[in-house]
Amino acid sequence: DVKVTQSSRYLVKRTGEKVFLECVQDMDHENMFWYRQDPGLGLRLIYFSYDVKMKEKGDIPEGYSVSREKKERFSLILESASTNQTSMYLCASSSGNIGSDTQYFGPGTRLTVL
Amino acid sequence: GQNIDQPTEMTATEGAIVQINCTYQTSGFNGLFWYQQHAGEAPTFLSYNVLDGLEEKGRFSSFLSRSKGYSYLLLKELQMKDSASYLCAVVDSNYQLIWGAGTKLIIKP
Repeated sequence: DVKVTQSSRYLVKRTGEKVFLECVQDMDHENMFWYRQDPGLGLRLIYFSYDVKMKEKGDIPEGYSVSREKKERFSLILESASTNQTSMYLCASSSGNIGSDTQYFGPGTRLTVL
Repeated sequence: GQNIDQPTEMTATEGAIVQINCTYQTSGFNGLFWYQQHAGEAPTFLSYNVLDGLEEKGRFSSFLSRSKGYSYLLLKELQMKDSASYLCAVVDSNYQLIWGAGTKLIIKP
């Protein structure tokens, strides 16, 4: 079974803090993704990576950065957290074609920024 | 712009059949996914359609009409555990996934 794990299920941070969200997959997938999920909106892609040290901006990269130093790990960084970044953050991974292959999701991190 | 439309919420009765529709307007088309997401959990893959027609997988079936920009997910013999959100996502011409907002399905006894 593919397993995608995220470092925290729930996180509470203060405005201005630097926040790290970690994601690890155990299936040797080339592609990894970070999304945020907000009520009434579809999943919105923040960043994705198709290889180690490679990263591409998604639809809403502002205020975020990412790091992929190892194939199995993809980190999302909020340089200076703001209240409008309160959301559910989902990590996913896939192999093969980055668009049309099934994505496997982690359980999500619910981040609250006060 | 690119757009995926799904009903926000649907209610059905245990044992019945429900059809969840998804219409899309995207720049190109390279396939359509359905995912299931239980409250507080990760989305999980249900189906992928790239050709027109119906694909059946147990109690779940997914239909695609590319000419109409339309898909539906059909759930038969509904069970309480089918209460979840169902997400439709389209792969556009750039192989980017465009996600709908999801349909929350409530199953009543």
